[in-house]
Amino acid sequence: QSALTQPASVSGSPGQSITISCTGTSSDVGSYNLVSWYQQHPGKAPKLMIYEVSKRPSGVSNRFSGSKSGNTASLTISGLQAEDEADYYCCSYAGSSSYVFGTGTKVTVL
Amino acid sequence: EVQLVESGGGLVKPGGSLRLSCAASGFTFSSYSMNWVRQAPGKGLEWVSSISSSSSYIYYADSVKGRFTISRDNAKNSLYLQMNSLRAEDTAVYYCARDAAMVQGVWAFDIWGQGTMVTVSS
Repeated sequence: QSALTQPASVSGSPGQSITISCTGTSSDVGSYNLVSWYQQHPGKAPKLMIYEVSKRPSGVSNRFSGSKSGNTASLTISGLQAEDEADYYCCSYAGSSSYVFGTGTKVTVL
Repeated sequence: EVQLVESGGGLVKPGGSLRLSCAASGFTFSSYSMNWVRQAPGKGLEWVSSISSSSSYIYYADSVKGRFTISRDNAKNSLYLQMNSLRAEDTAVYYCARDAAMVQGVWAFDIWGQGTMVTVSS
C-alpha cells in the first residue's frame, strides 16, 4: 500500500486560508468516506482534527474543514494562526481493515 | 482523563526482539479497538497493526506481518506489541492509538499516546 500523496510544504500569512491536498487511489480515498486528518507539533503525538472527510471532533476549531472529490481529499485552514504551524497528515481506510497515511505536509505561518 | 501511555522502547540489535506496552486509563478500554502506528525519524506516520475489542480480529501491515504480534489484556487495560526479527527499518517512535469507530461512530484514531522510541542498530 503506497502512502497518500501530500505536498511537502504549504505556507500562508496570519489570517489567510490554506488548503492541503491528499491524493490517493480508487482503492482508498476514492472508495471510502473515511479520511481523517491529524495535526502534529514537533516532538508531540498526532491530534485528530477531521474525521470521515469533513467532521470535526469536539474542541477542534471551526477554522479547520475537510472535503473530498474523487481520489483527492483536502484540509482547509482558514484564518491561519501561529499555533497552526505544524505537520499535517491525512489518513484513509484502505480496505481489508488496513489504513494508509499521507506523506505529510509542513505548514508554515509566515 | 483519557490517556494512553506507551513503554518498553529501547535499543536493540538487528534480529532481536522487543515488547511494547500501552497502558490505558480514563475510558472503558475493553470496548475499543486499538492500533499501533509508527513514525521513523523525520518521516511520516505508518499504520502497523490493529486489534478488535475482544481480540477476535487482528490485522497487520505487510511490512511487519509474520514478525510482529499485537495483543491485549482487557483486565489490565493494556495493549501490547511483540516485535521479533527486528530490522534497521523498524526504527521509529511507536504510538498506540484508540479507534473510536465502533463505540462513538468516529472512524478515526481519536486518542494517541506520547510514543515510545525503538532503535534497531548494532
